[in-house]
Amino acid sequence: AQRVTQPEKLLSVFKGAPVELKCNYSYSGSPELFWYVQYSRQRLQLLLRHISRESIKGFTADLNKGETSFHLKKPFAQEEDSAMYYCASRGGFQKLVFGTGTRLLVSP
Amino acid sequence: GAGVSQSPRYKVAKRGQDVALRCDPISGHVSLFWYQQALGQGPEFLTYFQNEAQLDKSGLPSDRFFAERPEGSVSTLKIQRTQQEDSAVYLCASSSLAGTSYEQYFGPGTRLTVT
Repeated sequence: AQRVTQPEKLLSVFKGAPVELKCNYSYSGSPELFWYVQYSRQRLQLLLRHISRESIKGFTADLNKGETSFHLKKPFAQEEDSAMYYCASRGGFQKLVFGTGTRLLVSP
Repeated sequence: GAGVSQSPRYKVAKRGQDVALRCDPISGHVSLFWYQQALGQGPEFLTYFQNEAQLDKSGLPSDRFFAERPEGSVSTLKIQRTQQEDSAVYLCASSSLAGTSYEQYFGPGTRLTVT
C-alpha cells in the first residue's frame, strides 16, 4: 500500500535560516508527489507538485527515486512560512495519500 | 470565484445520533473527494465521485458511513449511529477533470465532535 512518511512533527527555525521538511514515500509505480500547506485559519492548499519542477514562494522539492524522498526546501525561511505542511502522493487512481504533517515555526 | 464550501462548519453530536455533512464543490468540477482528518493526523481518503458515480469508496471505515452525489454537484456524507472515534475534521475537495493530474481544491472542513 502507498505510504507517505513525514518524520518530524515540528520544525522550529529562526528567520533567515534554511529549511528542509522531510518526506519519504513508498510506492511501487511512478508516483505523483505534492506538498500541501495549511496556514493558520485557512484551508489546505497546494504548494507545489513534483511534475511542475517549479519554485513557489521560494520553496523547491526534488523527487529522489533512489532514496524515495521528496524533501521540501527553502534557503531562507520567513515568518510568513509558519504553517502546517503535508506531503502527499497520488497513485494509480485519483485519491491523495497524505503524511502526518510537519508544523514549521519560523521565529523572528 | 467561490471555492469549495462545506456546511455546517462545526457539528456536535451525541453518540448514536445520525449526522449529514454537505459539500458544495466548485461549479463544473467533475471530481469530488471526501477525506477524514483526525487530530494530529494528515487527511485520509474516504471516497471519490466522478460526476454522480461513486467510483471509489474503499476508505469508508464502516457501513455506518454513506456518501452520495445524486446530481453530480452537491455531495452529502452521512454518518449513522455516530461513535466517539468518528470525531474528526471532514474535508471535501473537488477538481476539474477526471483521470488527470488536476489540482484538488479543498473546502474549509466540518469539525465533528461526538460526545
